[in-house]
Amino acid sequence: KAGVTQTPRYLIKTRGQQVTLSCSPISGHRSVSWYQQTPGQGLQFLFEYFSETQRNKGNFPGRFSGRQFSNSRSEMNVSTLELGDSALYLCASSLDAFGTHGYTFGSGTRLTVV
Amino acid sequence: AQSVTQLDSHVSVSEGTPVLLRCNYSSSYSPSLFWYVQHPNKGLQLLLKYTSAATLVKGINGFEAEFKKSETSFHLTKPSAHMSDAAEYFCVVSDQGGSYIPTFGRGTSLIVHP
Repeated sequence: KAGVTQTPRYLIKTRGQQVTLSCSPISGHRSVSWYQQTPGQGLQFLFEYFSETQRNKGNFPGRFSGRQFSNSRSEMNVSTLELGDSALYLCASSLDAFGTHGYTFGSGTRLTVV
Repeated sequence: AQSVTQLDSHVSVSEGTPVLLRCNYSSSYSPSLFWYVQHPNKGLQLLLKYTSAATLVKGINGFEAEFKKSETSFHLTKPSAHMSDAAEYFCVVSDQGGSYIPTFGRGTSLIVHP
């Protein structure tokens, strides 16, 4: 079966712009979560959606937002980009709302802000 | 509250020798524990998971981990390292009964010498 698909794989944006990243989970998975990975901070949780509802949110500013559609696909948006937003953004899906069986990760979107 | 500490940022082994990657955790609830592997420019792949069943957990590619509640540890081992095992490894804890948000360790880079 197809894995978690993230698009685009690479993105270069200018400070002040906004960006939208997309994630298609494994078929049947209703939970989608997003993470930011940087060399300095490691993997940090952004937010999680289950059945179109945001269940949890990490400690990130309001410039970071997301949503989930009825087909479980998810998007995350970052507005007013800053240099520090340069990171690998990972999406993960799981079968249940609790990640009991672990998460399946996509290959990520590498965002570079210049 | 939950936390996870990976005790070594880098581990270097020779091909064919045993691998030990150390992880300690803290959790206010019964934890689920996971090990993930990340190869360069890739997403994370689930190696194995502990979810309150058997304390010795076997995963993919010959890896296994033992849950030791008294020591709050979940160390990852492999009897014989392969060159293809060189990657970043992450220990993850998730409170089952709390927020269910997974907390990632900072990662251990496994270096395998020929």
